[in-house]
Order: sequence, then structure tokens, then C-alpha cells
Amino acid sequence: EAQVTQNPRYLITVTGKKLTVTCSQNMNHEYMSWYRQDPGLGLRQIYYSMNVEVTDKGDVPEGYKVSRKEKRNFPLILESPSPNQTSLYFCASSRQAGLNNSPLHFGNGTRLTVT
Amino acid sequence: AQSVAQPEDQVNVAEGNPLTVKCTYSVSGNPYLFWYVQYPNRGLQFLLKYITGDNLVKGSYGFEAEFNKSQTSFHLKKPSALVSDSALYFCAVRDASNYQLIWGAGTKLIIKP
Repeated sequence: EAQVTQNPRYLITVTGKKLTVTCSQNMNHEYMSWYRQDPGLGLRQIYYSMNVEVTDKGDVPEGYKVSRKEKRNFPLILESPSPNQTSLYFCASSRQAGLNNSPLHFGNGTRLTVT
Repeated sequence: AQSVAQPEDQVNVAEGNPLTVKCTYSVSGNPYLFWYVQYPNRGLQFLLKYITGDNLVKGSYGFEAEFNKSQTSFHLKKPSALVSDSALYFCAVRDASNYQLIWGAGTKLIIKP
């Protein structure tokens, strides 16, 4: 089954404790992206990747890191989480970026709480 | 600046009635417009997109959207609402400068039996 898999689904952590949220897609998609969803703010892009070893900042990259060492995986790293990073996080992928306009496929989300 | 607005936080519709979820946009150049739906505890799912051509775009689950260039709108519609249509709906436009999607804040659609 074609899917984007995020883990974990729920995560509660404390301020400053490094964490990684994993994202994997099995569709051989070139493009991957991380979003955070907060009430009333819609989706805000954190980072995106047009292909392996190519990553770019989105609208809210501060406090986050990503890597794209292989096509299928795009982990999101919080080196020193803070309470304002409490949010619902989504990973998404699409066949290609750019004007191809192929639709995004989303994971089921990771709800992160930082105390 | 490019932007998307969904003016209604929530839309309530009785089952069987037509529904409309509104979206307006501001872009430079040609707009590439999208609708996605989010069911509880799930990720977003693609519904439909407008790239070029016919102003009425048909998508999944019986939804359609009408592109209106003069009003810079891309409203989502369905002739007869189902209770199972209750969800959060997002409109998005592609940023012409970097191809990333700009998202509206979302509209919660509630269909009452």
C-alpha cells in the first residue's frame, strides 16, 4: 500500500531533550516536506526537500533540522525542544516538486507535547 | 504577497443540502489551486486541483470547485452533503517563486443529520 509513515504518533517530552520524528514513504517520491498544524494557523511549512541531499527552509524552520540522505526517509530533528514546539506535525511527499503540481500524500501526523 | 483566505472558521449544513466552503486567493501570475480534506486523527487528503482549463473542477467524493478569476475565488462545493463529509477542509495555492504551497487556515465543515 502506498503510504507515508510517521513515527511516533504521540510524543510527550521535556524541554531540551533531543528528539527525532521519523518519516518514510514507499512511493519513490522526489519531494518531501514537514509541516506543523496549529489551531487557527493552518499548515505552516518547516522544511522541504526537492530530492536526496537537497533541503530548504520553509516558513518556520527555527528550532528544527532535517536530513535527506536517502529518497524514502526525511526525519525531523528537534535538537532542544521548547514548549512553543508543541504542535501536530505532518510529513508529506509528492512525486515531483515544481510546476508538476502532483498532489501531496500525507502521513497521519505526530502529536508532540513539550513540557 | 501571496496568500490564501478561508473566511469561515466553521460551516454548518443539513444533510442533503448543498454545501459551499469558501476560498479566496492572492497570487502573482497564474494561480495553481488545491483543496485538501482532513478527517479526525488523520493526515490531509487531496481532493482536487485547478491548474488551467475548465473553471469547474471535479474531484473526489463528489466534490467540485469553481475557479473565478475576476473574484479570485476557488470555492469548494457539493450538491448534496453527507454526514461523512464532516471534516476540516484546507484551500492552498502554489507560490510561484518557490513552488511551495501556501495554506489557508482551514474550515471546519459540520453536516447535521
